[in-house]
Amino acid sequence: GEDVEQSLFLSVREGDSSVINCTYTDSSSTYLYWYKQEPGAGLQLLTYIFSNMDMKQDQRLTVLLNKKDKHLSLRIADTQTGDSAIYFCAEAHDKIIFGKGTRLHILP
Amino acid sequence: DTGVSQNPRHKITKRGQNVTFRCDPISEHNRLYWYRQTLGQGPEFLTYFQNEAQLEKSRLLSDRFSAERPKGSFSTLEIQRTEQGDSAMYLCASSVQGFSYSPLHFGNGTRLTVT
Repeated sequence: GEDVEQSLFLSVREGDSSVINCTYTDSSSTYLYWYKQEPGAGLQLLTYIFSNMDMKQDQRLTVLLNKKDKHLSLRIADTQTGDSAIYFCAEAHDKIIFGKGTRLHILP
Repeated sequence: DTGVSQNPRHKITKRGQNVTFRCDPISEHNRLYWYRQTLGQGPEFLTYFQNEAQLEKSRLLSDRFSAERPKGSFSTLEIQRTEQGDSAMYLCASSVQGFSYSPLHFGNGTRLTVT
């Protein structure tokens, strides 16, 4: 079946890099996403990657995809207090299946 | 592009009542999705449409839930005989699938509280 797994919490010092990891099960996934959700807010698309790519960089964000291991990661460089949020990994074939989210906490 | 619009933002209802939510997707988006999100969880897939056709329904969608997208534009999600377990944020999203592609864009959701 389809499943997306993420660790629930991550604490990072301000200015360090954050790396959020995700594993998925559907080998037919065509796109993989990262969404950000701040408290009381909706889901904001951060970035996505096609399944035939292995890396995508967008300013402070780097997405790495290991299709063989079905592993996706999101690296946020120079983490700021405004990055504090819940980050959802999602896989897409027809419908999009989300993980439970990783809560990123920034330490001063 | 005004984004995905959902109404109402909040709905409080008594158990046993029927409720209906509306979603207006981004124009020219042919796919429309409904998700449900409870506290501490990721969004759970409920159903999706390609134009006016409902292509898939989750096992989570009991007989009390029905969704429509009659003209392939806006969609409604109705919950009949609401139960306290239906309390959640109901999210709508839209995208383009076909010759071109866009990722899923979400609305701000309708928060349902069943008392």
